Amino acid sequence: AQSVAQPEDQVNVAEGNPLTVKCTYSVSGNPYLFWYVQYPNRGLQFLLKYITGDNLVKGSYGFEAEFNKSQTSFHLKKPSALVSDSALYFCAVRGYGSGNTGKLIFGQGTTLQVKP
Amino acid sequence: DAGVIQSPRHEVTEMGQEVTLRCKPISGHDYLFWYRQTMMRGLELLIYFNNNVPIDDSGMPEDRFSAKMPNASFSTLKIQPSEPRDSAVYFCASCRGGGYDGYTFGSGTRLTVV
Repeated sequence: AQSVAQPEDQVNVAEGNPLTVKCTYSVSGNPYLFWYVQYPNRGLQFLLKYITGDNLVKGSYGFEAEFNKSQTSFHLKKPSALVSDSALYFCAVRGYGSGNTGKLIFGQGTTLQVKP
Repeated sequence: DAGVIQSPRHEVTEMGQEVTLRCKPISGHDYLFWYRQTMMRGLELLIYFNNNVPIDDSGMPEDRFSAKMPNASFSTLKIQPSEPRDSAVYFCASCRGGGYDGYTFGSGTRLTVV
């Protein structure tokens, strides 16, 4: 079965400190991985994706994500958090196989709270 | 491109009434998805279409929910009759060629059933 897990419901970090939002995945084929961000009262916005190549992927708003095949993880990172980064973050993996083609499987989301 | 367009942005209706949510995907996108988001259940996939054909509707909660995609540029999600537990934010998303580049989401419709 294909799945995504975000083990933390909420991550708290002080402004200026580095942040990490964790994601692990399970998929039968090559993983196509994504991070989305949702600000209050808005739709989900694409942040970055991993298809193949470098394990460190850079995305929007200074975010990056590290793909680790052996640990089946795709953690979202930022060197210096901003208060405006406070939002709900979703990790997703593209599904494979009958009934899953084209489908992104989302994690349950992690709320990031950045305090001044 | 204007992105994925959903209407209305907000809908308040009385229990028992019919509700229709609308979505216009990005031109050229051949997949369309309907999601529901609540605090309790998070983000749930209700149904998705490929080339206007429903592929998987296993997430549709009950027969009160139905979705159509009469052409490549329009889809509707209908709830009839509506119930208070249907209150949620409903998102439409679209993508091209199987989701390798991810989805583009609309801004959502916030439905309140009183």
